[in-house]
Amino acid sequence: AQSVTQPDIHITVSEGASLELRCNYSYGATPYLFWYVQSPGQGLQLLLKYFSGDTLVQGIKGFEAEFKRSQSSFNLRKPSVHWSDAAEYFCAVGTSQGNTPLVFGKGTRLSVIA
Amino acid sequence: NAGVTQTPKFRILKIGQSMTLQCAQDMNHNYMYWYRQDPGMGLKLIYYSVGAGITDKGEVPNGYNVSRSTTEDFPLRLELAAPSQTSVYFCASSHPGQTQETQYFGPGTRLLVL
Repeated sequence: AQSVTQPDIHITVSEGASLELRCNYSYGATPYLFWYVQSPGQGLQLLLKYFSGDTLVQGIKGFEAEFKRSQSSFNLRKPSVHWSDAAEYFCAVGTSQGNTPLVFGKGTRLSVIA
Repeated sequence: NAGVTQTPKFRILKIGQSMTLQCAQDMNHNYMYWYRQDPGMGLKLIYYSVGAGITDKGEVPNGYNVSRSTTEDFPLRLELAAPSQTSVYFCASSHPGQTQETQYFGPGTRLLVL
């Protein structure tokens, strides 16, 4: 079975600074990888996803993530954080087995300070 | 499209009461899911369905029941509410083959059991 680890529970960055959120997965074959964002009191919104091909994936809101098979990682990055990026971020892993639901990490809460 | 809708938004239950959380989607998605989200624990899958008439247990099914009589609706039933079921519940849907398991989430139902 697949699993996901998000090592950082809470991260605080200054507005305008760069951001990297870590995600490590465990799965024997090539995974499907996702990053979701949850604003306070809201549901989850898809930021980006990786299935195959180019390992650097561009998403919405200026986010990108890079799949590194050798490190079993799929870290989320943004070059310049805006105050509106404060939210909770979830990494998730799926498989090519169609009936297997996604497995979510426990999330990383991002705070942005002026 | 309304996407995934959930009702109610918030509910307070007494211990032992029962209730049904409603979830509907208008995207003609085959797959539907119920998650619960507790602080610091990420999302845990309760039940999921791969089509009308087919349901399966997730990671934390105890105390819950589901049915899927139509493609659009996937209600979650709590028969004997317990304080441990205080949580935020999210419904999601996806359509493998078109969106490669990208899940679309509803806004959530906040449940408090006292």
